[in-house]
Amino acid sequence: EAGVAQSPRYKIIEKRQSVAFWCNPISGHATLYWYQQILGQGPKLLIQFQNNGVVDDSQLPKDRFSAERLKGVDSTLKIQPAKLEDSAVYLCASSQGGHSTDTQYFGPGTRLTVL
Amino acid sequence: GNSVTQMEGPVTLSEEAFLTINCTYTATGYPSLFWYVQYPGEGLQLLLKATKADDKGSNKGFEATYRKETTSFHLEKGSVQVSDSAVYFCALNPSSGSARQLTFGSGTQLTVLP
Repeated sequence: EAGVAQSPRYKIIEKRQSVAFWCNPISGHATLYWYQQILGQGPKLLIQFQNNGVVDDSQLPKDRFSAERLKGVDSTLKIQPAKLEDSAVYLCASSQGGHSTDTQYFGPGTRLTVL
Repeated sequence: GNSVTQMEGPVTLSEEAFLTINCTYTATGYPSLFWYVQYPGEGLQLLLKATKADDKGSNKGFEATYRKETTSFHLEKGSVQVSDSAVYFCALNPSSGSARQLTFGSGTQLTVLP
């Protein structure tokens, strides 16, 4: 079974530029998550989708971050404009449902460096 | 709110040593508890989980028991190998609320020397 796919793996941009990340979850998984992992810290949830609807985006900086999940499958996360403090690894995860006992499966992440 | 506290690292052990990484949590109700591992250059992988009090999760020689009375989920392994070198994250998923986001600890870096 294929895992969660993400691209690109690495991205370097200047501050105030825009950037987009792509995620393809495990086939059949209804729930998709985007996490931000700053160096030396645990991942922090940015947004959670159930199919193509948003369940929780309370920690998403909506003035600069946006995300969508068209047709309930792939998802994109965008940052516009980027700030220095956005340098982090952006992780996508998926799970079959949204139950607390469900295992979340993570992709390899996209490492973003903002100069 | 929900939170997870892990023992601070880094932890350095010799091969075949006994490993304990402490994890305590704060949450209402009965959360599910997880240990994830992140090998160098790779994404997070589920190591083990427990979904109710007194459950023991186990995988690859690692074990952790869900202790409701002490709100703990300590990770143990009897004999570590060099290949166990990685960052270990304790996490919880709350049992209530509309969202099912994982709350992670800050991670513990483990290095095993031959």
